[in-house]
Amino acid sequence: EGQLLESGGDLVQPGGSLRLSCAASGFTFSDYAMSWVRQASGKGLEWVSSISGSGESTYYEDSVKGRFTISRDNSKNTLYLQLNTLRAEDTAVYYCAKEGDKYPPHGMGVWGQGTTVTVSS
Amino acid sequence: QSVLTQPTSASGTPGQSVTISCSGGSSNIGINYVYWYQQLPGTAPKLLIYRHSRRPSGVPDRFSGSKSGTSASLAISGLRSEDEADYYCAAWDDSLSGWVFGGGTRLTVL
Repeated sequence: EGQLLESGGDLVQPGGSLRLSCAASGFTFSDYAMSWVRQASGKGLEWVSSISGSGESTYYEDSVKGRFTISRDNSKNTLYLQLNTLRAEDTAVYYCAKEGDKYPPHGMGVWGQGTTVTVSS
Repeated sequence: QSVLTQPTSASGTPGQSVTISCSGGSSNIGINYVYWYQQLPGTAPKLLIYRHSRRPSGVPDRFSGSKSGTSASLAISGLRSEDEADYYCAAWDDSLSGWVFGGGTRLTVL
């Protein structure tokens, strides 16, 4: 089934940038699409972005289009999310999740523990 | 405002049954599979139901899902204290080309 471990969360000023990473283990990474989902404190889950197993197809939630970039390095079994032009409303715990097949949507069967991004001056 | 609509809260006593609804539209639940996630306090979400009604291995058969038209439901029978959690429905939205989640339902076991 596999395991996911996020890192890279930090306190950053509005307008700043950050790169999140998600290290995968226990499964053939390139066989599965991956997603990022975030959760602001006390709020619900919000999908952010997804990427196909090979990386050629990407999908973004409207509020992050043009600011966030999802990518993956299948040789390193690692998923990334580059966050640019950060806003206070991007403050959240960011989870990476493994989908059920090479392309979404197949549900998110494995989740990481999350990494916290705080955007504040 | 979430694309999928869930009640904010639900409750029941141990042993009872409870149902959580999820209402969507023709571009999401109407044409795509529904998924349910359980989030215990302070933990990451966990897949509870996939493809409307299927359970991953390890999920008790007390949990069941169904879909009708543009709505879906999660039913929990024989409530236990450890079922106290937040429950989220989700579906792919073809118009948005992305996942949409419900706002979540907090289940309290009285």
